[in-house]
Amino acid sequence: NAGVTQTPKFQVLKTGQSMTLQCAQDMNHEYMSWYRQDPGMGLRLIHYSVGAGITDQGEVPNGYNVSRSTTEDFPLRLLSAAPSQTSVYFCASSYRTAAVLNTEAFFGQGTRLTVV
Amino acid sequence: GQQVMQIPQYQHVQEGEDFTTYCNSSTTLSNIQWYKQRPGGHPVFLIQLVKSGEVKKQKRLTFQFGEAKKNSSLHITATQTTDVGTYFCALLRNAGNNRKLIWGLGTSLAVNP
Repeated sequence: NAGVTQTPKFQVLKTGQSMTLQCAQDMNHEYMSWYRQDPGMGLRLIHYSVGAGITDQGEVPNGYNVSRSTTEDFPLRLLSAAPSQTSVYFCASSYRTAAVLNTEAFFGQGTRLTVV
Repeated sequence: GQQVMQIPQYQHVQEGEDFTTYCNSSTTLSNIQWYKQRPGGHPVFLIQLVKSGEVKKQKRLTFQFGEAKKNSSLHITATQTTDVGTYFCALLRNAGNNRKLIWGLGTSLAVNP
């Protein structure tokens, strides 16, 4: 199993450009999420999905769109990049269960994005 | 909303010294997950605690869940340079489709050889 795969690993964008960060998992996890990580701010949730066709906003959704057409893929789209979106982005997946156990999150390697 | 506070924010130790990070909440926690992130890496799951007073060990790492389920700690005995990284605690809030991990800000550990 490859786990959670994110592409690209590094990206430089100009202000106003759009792009899509890709995330794919091969563990048949229903739950997928996107975080951004900035120094001193921890992990902040952007968007998440509990299954194909279902997405919802996290705490910092502005400027980002997501879609979930398949269980495996959960792309994150930056609509019009701004310098404030310079960050490290992580995709994570986990099982969806009403129980507490077996809910650990598996993270991708991250995408380091710079907006100039 | 429910929050988890993590202290300290940073810790420098000499190799061989012990290290502890604490995760605290003003409300009762149903569970706590602990993750480690190496510099330049991604968070990796370490363990989950769900029972009051629970203590779990992984080699030199000891995880505790408070009796009142309002705090948790991660203790590393005799730190090594391989322990360098940021340790996060996270609370799983699981309510139907509204399912999120609530993260502490992490404790960054530096180990001087």
